[in-house]
Amino acid sequence: DSGVTQTPKHLITATGQRVTLRCSPRSGDLSVYWYQQSLDQGLQFLIQYYNGEERAKGNILERFSAQQFPDLHSELNLSSLELGDSALYFCASGRAFSGNTIYFGEGSWLTVV
Amino acid sequence: GESVGLHLPTLSVQEGDNSIINCAYSNSASDYFIWYKQESGKGPQFIIDIRSNMDKRQGQRVTVLLNKTVKHLSLQIAATQPGDSAVYFCAENYWNNAGNMLTFGGGTRLMVKP
Repeated sequence: DSGVTQTPKHLITATGQRVTLRCSPRSGDLSVYWYQQSLDQGLQFLIQYYNGEERAKGNILERFSAQQFPDLHSELNLSSLELGDSALYFCASGRAFSGNTIYFGEGSWLTVV
Repeated sequence: GESVGLHLPTLSVQEGDNSIINCAYSNSASDYFIWYKQESGKGPQFIIDIRSNMDKRQGQRVTVLLNKTVKHLSLQIAATQPGDSAVYFCAENYWNNAGNMLTFGGGTRLMVKP
C-alpha cells in the first residue's frame, strides 16, 4: 500500500458526460501528479500540483482540468468524454515539487461507452 | 514532446537467471531517474532511483546503471523470481518551459519462466 488513495476504482460513463476522479496523497506529501495510461501504453503525464498550485503541465487536453485543495487532496475533472478517454488514471504524490520519488495510487479505471 | 524511449518489448528469462532491462532517455539535462514495477491491475511501484551524479546504485537484488554519455539506463535484477514478472518502466526527471517533468517510457514486460 503506497498510501495514495484514489476513488473511484472503476467508472463507466457515456460519451459527452463529465466525471471527477479524486486523489488523497500520502501523509506529508505536498505534490500531486496525474497520469493517464491507456491499454498497453506507458504513463502519460497530465499535470502536477504542489501545495495547491499548478507546477507543471503535460499533455493534458483542454477538456480536462485539475485542482489541489487546501487539504492537499486533488481532483481531476474530465468533461465531454470521448471513447478514446477510456484509460487508467493514476495519481501519484511526492514530498517535494521536483527530483524526488513519487508514489502511485492504484488508479481509477474509466470506461467511456 | 520529449519522452523516455522505451518500447514495450517482452523479456523472457528463466527463474534464477539475471535480468537486464534497458532504457534510452532523451533529455541530457535529466537529473534524476527512477525505475518502477507495475503488476497487472495495480499502480506502479517504486523499485530504485539514481541521481545524475552517480553511475551505479544497488538495492536488494536490483542494480541501476546510468550512462550519461549515451543517455542509457539499465535495471539489473539478480536471481529473477516469478514474482518479478511485471511491466517495468523507467522515468526521467527534467525541467522545461512547462515546469518540472517526470516522464515515463513505454515499459518492458518481464516474464519469468519457472
